Amino acid sequence: KNEVEQSPQNLTAQEGEFITINCSYSVGISALHWLQQHPGGGIVSLFMLSSGKKKHGRLIATINIQEKHSSLHITASHPRDSAVYICAVLNTNAGKSTFGDGTTLTVKP
Amino acid sequence: GAGVSQSPSNKVTEKGKDVELRCDPISGHTALYWYRQSLGQGLEFLIYFQGNSAPDKSGLPSDRFSAERTGGSVSTLTIQRTQQEDSAVYLCASSLAPYSAGGPQETQYFGPGTRLLVL
Repeated sequence: KNEVEQSPQNLTAQEGEFITINCSYSVGISALHWLQQHPGGGIVSLFMLSSGKKKHGRLIATINIQEKHSSLHITASHPRDSAVYICAVLNTNAGKSTFGDGTTLTVKP
Repeated sequence: GAGVSQSPSNKVTEKGKDVELRCDPISGHTALYWYRQSLGQGLEFLIYFQGNSAPDKSGLPSDRFSAERTGGSVSTLTIQRTQQEDSAVYLCASSLAPYSAGGPQETQYFGPGTRLLVL
């Protein structure tokens, strides 16, 4: 079993839909990182959080430390949100990250 | 301002040769990370530098891999005696500070990567 599990693996949505991507982990962490990788390969950091909730525009990330679970939500999804979303946990020494396999999101117009 | 830059953008080499990959982090960023992404695979942590501290090398896959960071700025990742399984995109990221309380200083900025192909 991977230390970081994401679900779903693939997700197709219609424009405007509310999207949820889940991440569960089995190790102790100092923080959890959500990344976005566009089809061209570029990677952008979306959120880094260790508790509660963070919001940026249409994106919301939540984490429950007790349940070892995080969710990434996208409200009013748009085709430009189509990308691979990657969850990563930062180990307690805050240097090493362990990555999930990613969720491929396709938003259709 | 300038982002993280990496060079070369693409590298094709023959099995057994040594390669050197370069990363120029954002000026003033104290933390620097190397990752790799093999074709069809997820991201994999390689090594982490923070300031002048000894690097966290726990992710390096073999002793053929080494990295250094000179003067707390530019970093080079060296792969000796390359193997076909080393073919991947090697990504560098930097942040103003390592993770502490989830503030904006910990945001990692990624470079465009070096695509390495070992024939």
